[in-house]
Amino acid sequence: SQTIHQWPATLVQPVGSPLSLECTVEGTSNPNLYWYRQAAGRGLQLLFYSVGIGQISSEVPQNLSASRPQDRQFILSSKKLLLSDSGFYLCAWSRGTGAGNEQFFGPGTRLTVL
Amino acid sequence: AQKVTQAQTEISVVEKEDVTLDCVYETRDTTYYLFWYKQPPSGELVFLIRRNSFDEQNEISGRYSWNFQKSTSSFNFTITASQVVDSAVYFCALSGNSGAGSYQLTFGKGTKLSVIP
Repeated sequence: SQTIHQWPATLVQPVGSPLSLECTVEGTSNPNLYWYRQAAGRGLQLLFYSVGIGQISSEVPQNLSASRPQDRQFILSSKKLLLSDSGFYLCAWSRGTGAGNEQFFGPGTRLTVL
Repeated sequence: AQKVTQAQTEISVVEKEDVTLDCVYETRDTTYYLFWYKQPPSGELVFLIRRNSFDEQNEISGRYSWNFQKSTSSFNFTITASQVVDSAVYFCALSGNSGAGSYQLTFGKGTKLSVIP
């Protein structure tokens, strides 16, 4: 069976500090990978998605970047955090390509920027 | 552009009542997929159902049922005999087949359901 891990679970960082959130998937190969952010208003916003190693698509211009150094590893980074980066970050994966595949989500990382 | 509207921000019901969560969508794609996810207080989104645009059959899974109506662009979710464990935020989502960006799930803003014992 497939599992998706995210860490850390909770993070408190000062404004201007760097960020690195990690997501890994087990039990599948060549998944599509996604980063979402959920702000206090509950809506989910797609930040990045990746269909393969080194292939990253950005949906929203922002202070964040993503990388996929290995097939089942997806990293979300920032060089300097802003207060507005606070939120709940969710990583997800799906099989193959196309629109119909359901996405499976990780447990999330709750980031607070002070 | 795709859009999903969940007009009900919060709903409270007493345990054992039935409750329907509304979802209305907009898309220009002829082929598309609709989803429901549950987000309990722990935060992780749990996949509940996927429906493609060619299949308008309603589906029932235990106490859960889904009513898909293309004529009204709606994909509503009903919980029968609600339980406290059903308390969560429920998201409706849409994915199209229009090429670029087709990997995206467009989410509604969610409906927070509180089931009171």
